Amino acid sequence: AQSVTQPDIHITVSEGASLELRCNYSYGATPYLFWYVQSPGQGLQLLLKYFSGDTLVQGIKGFEAEFKRSQSSFNLRKPSVHWSDAAEYFCAVGAGGSYIPTFGRGTSLIVHP
Amino acid sequence: DTAVSQTPKYLVTQMGNDKSIKCEQNLGHDTMYWYKQDSKKFLKIMFSYNNKELIINETVPNRFSPKSPDKAHLNLHINSLELGDSAVYFCASSQDLFQPQHFGDGTRLSIL
Repeated sequence: AQSVTQPDIHITVSEGASLELRCNYSYGATPYLFWYVQSPGQGLQLLLKYFSGDTLVQGIKGFEAEFKRSQSSFNLRKPSVHWSDAAEYFCAVGAGGSYIPTFGRGTSLIVHP
Repeated sequence: DTAVSQTPKYLVTQMGNDKSIKCEQNLGHDTMYWYKQDSKKFLKIMFSYNNKELIINETVPNRFSPKSPDKAHLNLHINSLELGDSAVYFCASSQDLFQPQHFGDGTRLSIL
């Protein structure tokens, strides 16, 4: 069965600093990978996705992520964080053979002014 | 236009009651989902329907019953509510099982 690990429960950064949120997955074949963001009181919004091809994917709001098969990772990055980026971030593996999409436990991003 | 809309946004009720949450999507998607998000933000899939057919039915008590009258709607009915049912319930939809999901804003269920 596939699984997703987000090792950091909380990340605190200063506004303007760079950001990297970690995501590791376990899946036998090439996974479909996603990053979602959840603002307080709202549903999840897709930031970016990886299906195949270029391993560096660009998303909305200035985010990017890099798929590294050798490390089973799909880390999310942003060069300069804005206060409005404070939210919960979820990494997800798309439905594989089990047809069950799997989400990580989320990383809460705190942005200091 | 809201792509995935859930009603109600808040639901406060007593133990033992029966309640329903409605979900509608106007994206023309074939697949719809129900998720439960607990107090620690953990998101767990409960059900998934593809073209009105149930395809995912995770380990969920029988008190929870999804109903899909058509492709655009997936409602969740809960019988005999228990304290542990308190959570935020999200509806989502996607073009198919392998595509990104669009989420509603959630229904916060509180059991007194």
